[in-house]
Amino acid sequence: EVQLVESGGGLVQPGGSLRLSCAASGFIFSTYHMNWVRQAPGKGLEWISYISVTSTTTYYADSVKGRFTISRDNAKNSLYLQMNSLRAEDTAVYYCVRPAGWYFDLWGRGTLVTVSS
Amino acid sequence: QSVLTQPPSVSGAPGQRVTISCTGSGSNIGAGHDVHWYQHLPGTAPKLLIFDNTNRPSGVPDRFSGSKSGTSASLAITGLQAEDEADYYCQSSDTSLSGRVFGGGTKLTVL
Repeated sequence: EVQLVESGGGLVQPGGSLRLSCAASGFIFSTYHMNWVRQAPGKGLEWISYISVTSTTTYYADSVKGRFTISRDNAKNSLYLQMNSLRAEDTAVYYCVRPAGWYFDLWGRGTLVTVSS
Repeated sequence: QSVLTQPPSVSGAPGQRVTISCTGSGSNIGAGHDVHWYQHLPGTAPKLLIFDNTNRPSGVPDRFSGSKSGTSASLAITGLQAEDEADYYCQSSDTSLSGRVFGGGTKLTVL
């Protein structure tokens, strides 16, 4: 089955760190660029990061630039998001997302990150 | 504030037709970037509904259709069904930003 499964979410204090993982299966992960998208409670979707197939190119939304780092391990069919200096406004469901051209054709079910003291 | 603007909510009775608008600007939709639509039921993975303005992925009923004109786009749903009750998001690209941009989402209620 073609799917993306996120993990690693949880409760973390402001200023803390968390690492999200995304396990891909059912398709050739190493041939796809990948993204992270998040949704804060009661808010819309927000694209936050992109990584190219060979990890040579990464992009970040201004809201997370300098604090979050996207990475991947093609041998393990996995995508990661290292989140540092977390803030209350980073509280959201984080989705691992596969792009097809300029849109997203495969989404995971998400993992919830709560930043609170 | 989302880069693309959608109405917070729309509603319709079963069998009726509803439309959801998505308004952008000259740096995204108006710059010629395509618009895509997603259906999202809370707790589930968002689902691609329309890509490249008007195209439906395999398995999406033809009750769903998309259009684009100028700096705006629309999603139309005909023959409303109870199962259509969900949140709908438009998405495009922005010339002045380094990634994709989304609308704020529209909650569809089937009366």
